[in-house]
Amino acid sequence: GQQLNQSPQSMFIQEGEDVSMNCTSSSIFNTWLWYKQDPGEGPVLLIALYKAGELTSNGRLTAQFGITRKDSFLNISASIPSDVGIYFCAGHSGAGSYQLTFGKGTKLSVIP
Amino acid sequence: KAGVTQTPRYLIKTRGQQVTLSCSPISGHRSVSWYQQTPGQGLQFLFEYFSETQRNKGNFPGRFSGRQFSNSRSEMNVSTLELGDSALYLCASSLDGRGQETQYFGPGTRLLVL
Repeated sequence: GQQLNQSPQSMFIQEGEDVSMNCTSSSIFNTWLWYKQDPGEGPVLLIALYKAGELTSNGRLTAQFGITRKDSFLNISASIPSDVGIYFCAGHSGAGSYQLTFGKGTKLSVIP
Repeated sequence: KAGVTQTPRYLIKTRGQQVTLSCSPISGHRSVSWYQQTPGQGLQFLFEYFSETQRNKGNFPGRFSGRQFSNSRSEMNVSTLELGDSALYLCASSLDGRGQETQYFGPGTRLLVL
């Protein structure tokens, strides 16, 4: 089945630093989504990407839908302590019913 | 607009028992999907319901089942619980689950099987 490779698995950064994480897929997706999950909670949508090459921002977050449709990245600028959490990429092929394929997540720790 | 709600939030069961989890989607959303999240396997798709019909199913045994009601609320049931079923079960809703849509997740039900 489809798999998403998300990297890095974890990151420790200083407050104020920029962060970058990415996902690659073995197959094409028509939608890329980035979620953040806090402990004990469900994933919260950060950014949705619907078009190859699309670059979308949400505050300090920027994400891009790769031109090949097999990859996406998420950047966080000027990190703050509340950015701590696990970030997931997810892809949807757009075919048939709704089924998201998730990456394994990037655990972000921010050192004040 | 209220988000996706799930009940109960926490549940403890013993092996062999069965459990039913409930999910209320965002108002107007007709597609409801269920996911299992474990530390080892991450987030895995269980099934998706639309208009009271299961439209897609992941690679889980038949002990995992679900249904959707006419008001789009959904339940999932796990029979003959095993220790490995301990997980966070997440429900997500979207408008009709097709094309370029976004899924919104509930807070999840944490199931512990002893």
